[in-house]
Amino acid sequence: EDKVVQSPLSLVVHEGDTVTLNCSYEVTNFRSLLWYKQEKKAPTFLFMLTSSGIEKKSGRLSSILDKKELFSILNITATQTGDSAIYLCAVDITSGTYKYIFGTGTRLKVLA
Amino acid sequence: GAGVSQTPSNKVTEKGKYVELRCDPISGHTALYWYRQSLGQGPEFLIYFQGTGAADDSGLPNDRFFAVRPEGSVSTLKIQRTERGDSAVYLCASSPRRDSGANVLTFGAGSRLTVL
Repeated sequence: EDKVVQSPLSLVVHEGDTVTLNCSYEVTNFRSLLWYKQEKKAPTFLFMLTSSGIEKKSGRLSSILDKKELFSILNITATQTGDSAIYLCAVDITSGTYKYIFGTGTRLKVLA
Repeated sequence: GAGVSQTPSNKVTEKGKYVELRCDPISGHTALYWYRQSLGQGPEFLIYFQGTGAADDSGLPNDRFFAVRPEGSVSTLKIQRTERGDSAVYLCASSPRRDSGANVLTFGAGSRLTVL
């Protein structure tokens, strides 16, 4: 069975801290891995990763994929209260169909 | 439209009633997905459309759930004889042609369904 596991489930940090969120997966026919940020409503896209070892970066956020060990990490440096959200990891698979398997998410709270 | 639009944003109904949830994807996106998200959980796959046809409905939990996309654009998720366990946020997402390589999902704001 295809599965995506995220850790930790929740995290509380103070502004300025650096956090690392983890996503591991066991799927057939991996196509890509995506990270989303979910505040109150729609998940918003952060990164799509397809190749191992190539870091994607956007401001204080960065992410990297390891296709040998089957995991990805999302790093957030110098956290701000606006980073408080649920971070979702999804794996895009193509085993006879096309669908995205999501993890349960990591709930991040950044305290002022 | 500019984004994925879902209506209603909130729906409260009584057990046993029928509900319809509507999704209007980004113009030109041929792939459309429905997910269900319960409190504290990640989105759970329900159904995927490529164009008008349901390419994969393996996530629909039972035959009370049905979805259509008759003209390849707007989709409606239909739930018959609602149960309290159906309470969740129903998310719709769309993406360009599935084999285009541009496979980033864009989500709508969701429809929160509460079954009393």
